[in-house]
Amino acid sequence: NAGVTQTPKFQVLKTGQSMTLQCAQDMNHEYMSWYRQDPGMGLRLIHYSVGAGITDQGEVPNGYNVSRSTTEDFPLRLLSAAPSQTSVYFCASSAQQGFIGYTFGSGTRLTVV
Amino acid sequence: QQQVKQSPQSLIVQKGGISIINCAYENTAFDYFPWYQQFPGKGPALLIAIRPDVSEKKEGRFTISFNKSAKQFSLHIMDSQPGDSATYFCAARTGYKLSFGAGTTVTVRA
Repeated sequence: NAGVTQTPKFQVLKTGQSMTLQCAQDMNHEYMSWYRQDPGMGLRLIHYSVGAGITDQGEVPNGYNVSRSTTEDFPLRLLSAAPSQTSVYFCASSAQQGFIGYTFGSGTRLTVV
Repeated sequence: QQQVKQSPQSLIVQKGGISIINCAYENTAFDYFPWYQQFPGKGPALLIAIRPDVSEKKEGRFTISFNKSAKQFSLHIMDSQPGDSATYFCAARTGYKLSFGAGTTVTVRA
């Protein structure tokens, strides 16, 4: 039981490049979310999903895309990287029943130059 | 604009002392208030949580106090230990979305 697995752990992109951050969970959780963490701002919700095929925007969705084709996977796509997207990205999942908070992955540290 | 305001930004406490972190909110639709603990290089981990119909919850050395009328809640870490040195986030839930405070970095000096 690996929990929530994020890859890669570190990434450097050039402005304008695109990439996909991978997230997989093996707990059969319905809810999955992507957060970004910036100093002094806590964690801010980018996109979330309440099940396969269902996604919605969070607080800071601009510049990001998501899809949820399976229960296990929830990739985050950066369409055209900008320096403002330099951040630490966390994927999280939770069971639908008796929601008690999210289990977070270990994060992806992204630098856009 | 953050929906949950957390203070202080950082604090230093001596081993054995009490750490207190405060959070405030405005949205009365919040119905669940978890605290997360994060160590450097790791993702946040659920520490303790409370529902608004309870005024206090204690788990080991960690206690949440909740004041529904004031829309405030706080985390108390009793008998603080060096291993408690971490960043702590309060959060508030509506549905399945969590809004987080900005975080408090706690340093426990031996």
